Amino acid sequence: SSELTQDPAVSVALGQTVRITCQGDRLRSHYASWFQRKPGQAPLLVIYGKNNRPSGIPDRFSGSTSGNIASLIITGAQAEDEADYYCNSRDTSDNYHWVFGGGTALTVL
Amino acid sequence: EVQLVESGGGLEHPGRSLRLSCTASGFTFSDYAMNWVRQAPGKGLEWVGFIRSEAYGGTTECAASVKGRFTISRDDSKSIAYLEINSLKTEDTAVYYCTREVYGSGSYSLDYWGQGTLVTVSS
Repeated sequence: SSELTQDPAVSVALGQTVRITCQGDRLRSHYASWFQRKPGQAPLLVIYGKNNRPSGIPDRFSGSTSGNIASLIITGAQAEDEADYYCNSRDTSDNYHWVFGGGTALTVL
Repeated sequence: EVQLVESGGGLEHPGRSLRLSCTASGFTFSDYAMNWVRQAPGKGLEWVGFIRSEAYGGTTECAASVKGRFTISRDDSKSIAYLEINSLKTEDTAVYYCTREVYGSGSYSLDYWGQGTLVTVSS
């Protein structure tokens, strides 16, 4: 399947650790990227590749992959982390098409 | 500073056409592939398509859901990428983003995004 599946919603207590997952067959051979999307703002790349953070992204954001599941981990979640999170991945065997997961709404309690 | 600014959105009737622009600054536009992504109201992000740099032929790929109606092009002399939407449908109503594609650390990613332009298709 070329799809990426995410849980629709996840919640975390302030200061605790949360894992947001993305599942799909293409993740066995292609890394996922993760984007944070807040209302009224453009998507923001937070993790790419094996576990890389763009400049300016706090180090509480990290990524990992196991088999066909990619994870975005937020260690010590802050109130400002409340947002929608999307994974995406590219399939170099499918004309380099990208696909996005359905998104996960993160609530920080 | 990398900036991407989309324009050209608005209210349009079904069946008409619309051309969106993405004006880039702060980097060598011609070196990069550019992608378009949309988000319909209450929905998630949907990849629309991309155009490679001229160094890689300047060819395009579009998602199956829009292939045949959407055309992506670029003008490197003006640092602008375009998305032309033909035969507009109500389901094309969305915020359309352009985003820069990069390759690094062994993977591709979409590192910079514009603020988006809203397209509303309604009779």
